[in-house]
Amino acid sequence: TQLLEQSPQFLSIQEGENLTVYCNSSSVFSSLQWYRQEPGEGPVLLVTVVTGGEVKKLKRLTFQFGDARKDSSLHITAAQPGDTGLYLCAGTITAGNKLTFGGGTRVLVKP
Amino acid sequence: GAVVSQHPSRVICKSGTSVKIECRSLDFQATTMFWYRQFPKQSLMLMATSNEGSKATYEQGVEKDKFLINHASLTLSTLTVTSAHPEDSSFYICSASSGSNQPQHFGDGTRLSIL
Repeated sequence: TQLLEQSPQFLSIQEGENLTVYCNSSSVFSSLQWYRQEPGEGPVLLVTVVTGGEVKKLKRLTFQFGDARKDSSLHITAAQPGDTGLYLCAGTITAGNKLTFGGGTRVLVKP
Repeated sequence: GAVVSQHPSRVICKSGTSVKIECRSLDFQATTMFWYRQFPKQSLMLMATSNEGSKATYEQGVEKDKFLINHASLTLSTLTVTSAHPEDSSFYICSASSGSNQPQHFGDGTRLSIL
């Protein structure tokens, strides 16, 4: 059992549709990050959330951190083929920056 | 800013060979570097954490004699996979951080294939 559970594991949608990816844990995180990774490359940081209840927007992406800092979600509006990739949540539990990664959600946006 | 370079990007070698992977922070001093392994269609799994000038801290289940980590300077860490076997084939990714409360910056990974 992973400390951070991501769901769904795989998501296939048509261009223009919306999607939401969830990241859940029984542990409290001091901060949580979302990454996107493309095949053969390292993960690229999308956002960091640190405050319970925090909502951050990055163009068509909306990130939310749960009030109790145990869960987070990533919502993409009007998805485009360029949004295709592996989305990873990762969090830090204690002070410091050691990251625990979720299992990842593979998103495929069909044109 | 905050660029991390990994080299080589891909390596293919015979079973029994030792392979060294380099991770460099190009425009900042990395007091801490992390090494991850990622199998196909899976997430990143932390292998070890290295602090400049001290021994690496390995995660449970990672053999320290198999995966040698050196972090001799503030801009370079190396991971050596000793006597590699086909089961060591994976995507190895490093990250670097300038401090204990600073974000990790990731390299582009090294695809290791052992024949």
